[in-house]
Amino acid sequence: DVKVTQSSRYLVKRTGEKVFLECVQDMDHENMFWYRQDPGLGLRLIYFSYDVKMKEKGDIPEGYSVSREKKERFSLILESASTNQTSMYLCASSPYRQGAYGYTFGSGTRLTVV
Amino acid sequence: SQQGEEDPQALSIQEGENATMNCSYKTSINNLQWYRQNSGRGLVHLILIRSNEREKHSGRLRVTLDTSKKSSSLLITASRAADTASYFCATDLIQGAQKLVFGQGTRLTINP
Repeated sequence: DVKVTQSSRYLVKRTGEKVFLECVQDMDHENMFWYRQDPGLGLRLIYFSYDVKMKEKGDIPEGYSVSREKKERFSLILESASTNQTSMYLCASSPYRQGAYGYTFGSGTRLTVV
Repeated sequence: SQQGEEDPQALSIQEGENATMNCSYKTSINNLQWYRQNSGRGLVHLILIRSNEREKHSGRLRVTLDTSKKSSSLLITASRAADTASYFCATDLIQGAQKLVFGQGTRLTINP
């Protein structure tokens, strides 16, 4: 049973396009996260959110923005896609603010920018 | 440099053998977690160990934590082909704004 759903498994976009990556969770979790994963660099946090309409920058927010209008949905936006944003994007959620619980991850979106 | 660093980067063993992976970190933590990632998929949470715990078991998994050495190990006993995956440690830092920091992972291959 799927708990965190990412809208696309594979996506190909052109340089300069505005790209939306959607993530929905059905576990009523407060916390949601966007990571990107690149070979040799591991997982790097882009943005996260502890509540509706709030967001905080992670380690690599440049070139990205996010939206959380509803508790279950956390969207990652690439304002103007560039080739260096080609990557695997992973969404995750967790309950509570204290971080004392494991994350539930989506299956990932492999984005290629050409 | 990474907060969590796994060692080795890659490990290849025969089915039935035990696999041990290590994780080192730099700053004080609330807890440390281990995740598995099958090729091209999302991560799956395996086990969480709190800073006041020294050892934890879950099925064939055994995790140890040594806060004095800032290190943790994940032991998988009686390995199976299905255990082939990448394994990541993640630290929940005391001063980390309540978010996990992931290491780069250990790629484990179980040979039949």
